[in-house]
Amino acid sequence: TQLLEQSPQFLSIQEGENLTVYCNSSSVFSSLQWYRQEPGEGPVLLVTVVTGGEVKKLKRLTFQFGDARKDSSLHITAAQPGDTGLYLCAGGAGYSTLTFGKGTMLLVSP
Amino acid sequence: DAGVIQSPRHEVTEMGQEVTLRCKPISGHNSLFWYRQTMMRGLELLIYFNNNVPIDDSGMPEDRFSAKMPNASFSTLKIQPSEPRDSAVYFCASRTGSGNTIYFGEGSWLTVV
Repeated sequence: TQLLEQSPQFLSIQEGENLTVYCNSSSVFSSLQWYRQEPGEGPVLLVTVVTGGEVKKLKRLTFQFGDARKDSSLHITAAQPGDTGLYLCAGGAGYSTLTFGKGTMLLVSP
Repeated sequence: DAGVIQSPRHEVTEMGQEVTLRCKPISGHNSLFWYRQTMMRGLELLIYFNNNVPIDDSGMPEDRFSAKMPNASFSTLKIQPSEPRDSAVYFCASRTGSGNTIYFGEGSWLTVV
């Protein structure tokens, strides 16, 4: 069974601060995805990374896939209250199913 | 365009009762997933259909759980009999055959008392 460990589990910060959350595994994934889930809603895909060492930027969010394709990080610059939510990483070994981590719950206070 | 539609959004039922959750995937998507989310275990895949055929049901907890997909636009997840430990948010999701983006519904919040 492929497992994804996310850290930290919870993060509470003030608006304007920077933060990084991590997603680690002992397994190699062909692709890794990051989702954000807001209260009362389903997860929504933010980004997919497929190449070891790949870096993708989505406005203030920067995603990196580890060189060995076993880990990933999400960095948020100048966090805003609208960034509040549960951030989930999910690894794929092909295009069948995804394995999800338990997520990092982020709270950004004004 | 309509997303994945799930019903009911919320259900409270007594232990031992049958629960049926329903899902309408996005039109044109031929893969459908049922996930369960709890604080303790996170998001777990229960079952995955491709072209209405169950491909992987290894995540279905036990015989009390069953899922069907009679056609490309409808799926059900049934729990009979329900138990308090089944309380969770159940998500349905769909994807095109060639895509890697999974689109989730808003979830069905189940409480078994």
